[in-house]
Amino acid sequence: DADVTQTPRNRITKTGKRIMLECSQTKGHDRMYWYRQDPGLGLQLIYYSFDVKDINKGEISDGYSVSRQAQAKFSLSLESAIPNQTALYFCATSDGHRSDTQYFGPGTRLTVL
Amino acid sequence: QQQVKQSPQSLIVQKGGISIINCAYENTAFDYFPWYQQFPGKGPALLIAIRPDVSEKKEGRFTISFNKSAKQFSLHIMDSQPGDSATYFCAASGSLRAAGNKLTFGGGTRVLVKP
Repeated sequence: DADVTQTPRNRITKTGKRIMLECSQTKGHDRMYWYRQDPGLGLQLIYYSFDVKDINKGEISDGYSVSRQAQAKFSLSLESAIPNQTALYFCATSDGHRSDTQYFGPGTRLTVL
Repeated sequence: QQQVKQSPQSLIVQKGGISIINCAYENTAFDYFPWYQQFPGKGPALLIAIRPDVSEKKEGRFTISFNKSAKQFSLHIMDSQPGDSATYFCAASGSLRAAGNKLTFGGGTRVLVKP
C-alpha cells in the first residue's frame, strides 16, 4: 500500500551494528505496528503504538527499540544487530476506531552477517 | 507458543480447483478473524474477515467458514486462478476496544495455482 512506506527496502549489515528502519504513513491513522516475518512463523508483533505517547511491547521485543516521532512516523531500531535478526520487517497502521483492518507497508529485508 | 495454528504450510492446486486452508485458535477471547493475502515482494493485505456471530462469510470466490465450538476457521478459494498464487495468513484478535486490534498470525500457507 503506497500510503505506508518503509525505508530502506533492503539492508545488509554486520553483527554489532546499529540499524534503524523507518516507517511513514499518510493514512492519518493513530495506530502503528512493527512485525517481523520469518518462514513458517507468520508475522510476529515486535512493538505497537496507539499514539505518539503510547508505545507497547509485542511478543518479541527483546533486542529491539522503537520511536514514534510523530503520528505519521514510527521507527524500529536494532541497537546491536545479530544474525538471528535476519528477517523481513513490516510496518502496519490501523484506524483503531472504526475498523480492525491493518494496512501494511512493502517491507524491509534485513540481513545481518 | 503459537496461539493460531495454520495448515497446510503449502498447497498446490490446479486452475479451477478449490483451495482450502485451515486455522485453529486457543484463546476464547478472540472475536475477529481476518485472512491476509501476500504476494511476493509486497506486504500482506486484508482479503476477508469474519466475526463469530456468523458461521460463514463469502466475498466473490473467497469464503470463510467459522466453527466457534471447535475453535477453527477456514478459507476456501473457489475456482482457483493463477493470480491467486500467494501466501495466505489467518489471524485473530480480541475486541477492538480491549485488545487494540493486536493481531496474532498463523504461520502462513503458500498457495500455488497451476494453469
